[in-house]
Amino acid sequence: QKEVEQDPGPLSVPEGAIVSLNCTYSNSAFQYFMWYRQYSRKGPELLMYTYSSGNKEDGRFTAQVDKSSKYISLFIRDSQPSDSATYLCAMAGLERGSTLGRLYFGRGTQLTVWP
Amino acid sequence: DAGVIQSPRHEVTEMGQEVTLRCKPISGHDYLFWYRQTMMRGLELLIYFNNNVPIDDSGMPEDRFSAKMPNASFSTLKIQPSEPRDSAVYFCASSFFSPSNEKLFFGSGTQLSVL
Repeated sequence: QKEVEQDPGPLSVPEGAIVSLNCTYSNSAFQYFMWYRQYSRKGPELLMYTYSSGNKEDGRFTAQVDKSSKYISLFIRDSQPSDSATYLCAMAGLERGSTLGRLYFGRGTQLTVWP
Repeated sequence: DAGVIQSPRHEVTEMGQEVTLRCKPISGHDYLFWYRQTMMRGLELLIYFNNNVPIDDSGMPEDRFSAKMPNASFSTLKIQPSEPRDSAVYFCASSFFSPSNEKLFFGSGTQLSVL
């Protein structure tokens, strides 16, 4: 079993739809949860960063973490064609005072928002 | 800043040949990471450096892979001899650790095809 599981999709929605992306994980030591967005032929870019449980909102994006269920979500409101990309969840525990050492990625969900 | 720079963008080679991938991290960043991305396995960490010193190479698939960081502004990932199963996109990423900002900056990747 992989440390992080993510449905690769693809997911196709009309413009304006609410999108829900999810990941599950098995390692209870994970404390830091991130979502990266990757456009075609580009490297991933950090979209959201959350510590421990709870919600975080940034514009049209909301990240949720439920540590009791080992489940994280990313919601996109009023989705736009420019949101079309692959979304990767990532998570880490705390090693050597930093999360950077070992970041575990999901496989990514490919999202297409059509006009 | 130009961001993380990787070269070449594309590499096509024949099985058994040596392949060298190059990376220039963002100036001032003290962490450098090499990742490999495939459809089947997603994004996998191969090795990472802190202040030019390799910290964790447990993700390097086998002895055919080697990585070096001779100075703070340059790193290489070498595959010798290359095999068709090495075909993937290889990403370099860098970061500057601070407790309030743990964010990886990825390059655009090198698409490697081993025939």
